Amino acid sequence: TQLLEQSPQFLSIQEGENLTVYCNSSSVFSSLQWYRQEPGEGPVLLVTVVTGGEVKKLKRLTFQFGDARKDSSLHITAAQPGDTGLYLCAGPSSGTYKYIFGTGTRLKVLA
Amino acid sequence: DVKVTQSSRYLVKRTGEKVFLECVQDMDHENMFWYRQDPGLGLRLIYFSYDVKMKEKGDIPEGYSVSREKKERFSLILESASTNQTSMYLCASSPPNWGSNNEQFFGPGTRLTVL
Repeated sequence: TQLLEQSPQFLSIQEGENLTVYCNSSSVFSSLQWYRQEPGEGPVLLVTVVTGGEVKKLKRLTFQFGDARKDSSLHITAAQPGDTGLYLCAGPSSGTYKYIFGTGTRLKVLA
Repeated sequence: DVKVTQSSRYLVKRTGEKVFLECVQDMDHENMFWYRQDPGLGLRLIYFSYDVKMKEKGDIPEGYSVSREKKERFSLILESASTNQTSMYLCASSPPNWGSNNEQFFGPGTRLTVL
């Protein structure tokens, strides 16, 4: 069974600090996606990483796919209160229509 | 602006009631999904549909059924609601060619409480 585990589960930091969120699996994924879910809303896609070792940047957010395609990280530089939310990683389940979602990291950035 | 809408944001039902959760998408997507979201468990797939009248069980289908009579509408049915079905329910849709890193578009969710 493919699983995605995220760490940390909760993170509360001050505005301006940097942070990294991890998404790990013992299984290889063909790609991984990162979503952000704000309170009272559904998740919204931030990025998809496809190639092992790939790095993608979205303003202050940097996403990396592990060389072996078993893990991914999300680094936020100079966090802002608007970054507050639940961050979810997701990957396609091999041989099926399904996507597997990680357990999520709930981030709170204090002004 | 693409949109997935869900019929209710909040719903309170009694044990044993039949519950209908409706989801509508305006993007002409073939694929539609129902998830439940519980703290510490992430999103778990209940059912998905890849075409009208077609459905596949997800990871936790017990106690649920679905209906897709029209392409834009996907309904989740709780035949006899139980307290352990208290949860946030999220509907999503995506274009076809599954496995090609398609984005899933989510609705705002329905928070269901079963008393």
